[in-house]
Amino acid sequence: GAVVSQHPSWVICKSGTSVKIECRSLDFQATTMFWYRQFPKQSLMLMATSNEGSKATYEQGVEKDKFLINHASLTLSTLTVTSAHPEDSSFYICSATPRPGTGDYEQYFGPGTRLTVT
Amino acid sequence: AQSVTQLDSQVPVFEEAPVELRCNYSSSVSVYLFWYVQYPNQGLQLLLKYLSGSTLVKGINGFEAEFNKSQTSFHLRKPSVHISDTAEYFCAVSWATTGANNLFFGTGTRLTVIP
Repeated sequence: GAVVSQHPSWVICKSGTSVKIECRSLDFQATTMFWYRQFPKQSLMLMATSNEGSKATYEQGVEKDKFLINHASLTLSTLTVTSAHPEDSSFYICSATPRPGTGDYEQYFGPGTRLTVT
Repeated sequence: AQSVTQLDSQVPVFEEAPVELRCNYSSSVSVYLFWYVQYPNQGLQLLLKYLSGSTLVKGINGFEAEFNKSQTSFHLRKPSVHISDTAEYFCAVSWATTGANNLFFGTGTRLTVIP
């Protein structure tokens, strides 16, 4: 099956610094990638949808200037948490869907990135 | 608008016993339905999905689910659970017109298998 990787798997940073998380589709081209946030013992909350070569679409309540998303190629999307604060500590998960026309109706999820802001 | 409800937040079950995890959805349009499993500190793994056709869907690890349109349900079942099935299970729905995009997740059910 299709594989999505994330890097890093966990990161600790100091308050006020920025952190970049990478999401890669390893064996398929992903026109669309998604970024989710998951708090402990809670479900996934969609933060934004990114399409290759265009601006990301953010969900209501998600600050676009704080969570910068770049989908520069069909296999890579990045999420940058700018000026991170302790309340940004969470588990961030990305997913990707193959290009339209492949007949593959599934989101493939990455393993997640644990962010801890001290 | 659409929503997904997982009524049971926690389900404890003894090893080798059967289990059913419930999922109900609401939508005014045709939907695709998914069950995902999440092990601690990991991403989501697809167990099974319903797109169309047979309402009984078989997935990995011995799980199956049945799509019931009249009851708007998609309950997950396994006839005999193992310790390794202990995990968080999420039901998700998307609009059929958008494929796998726009996934809406339920709140999850923590399955704990007791030795």
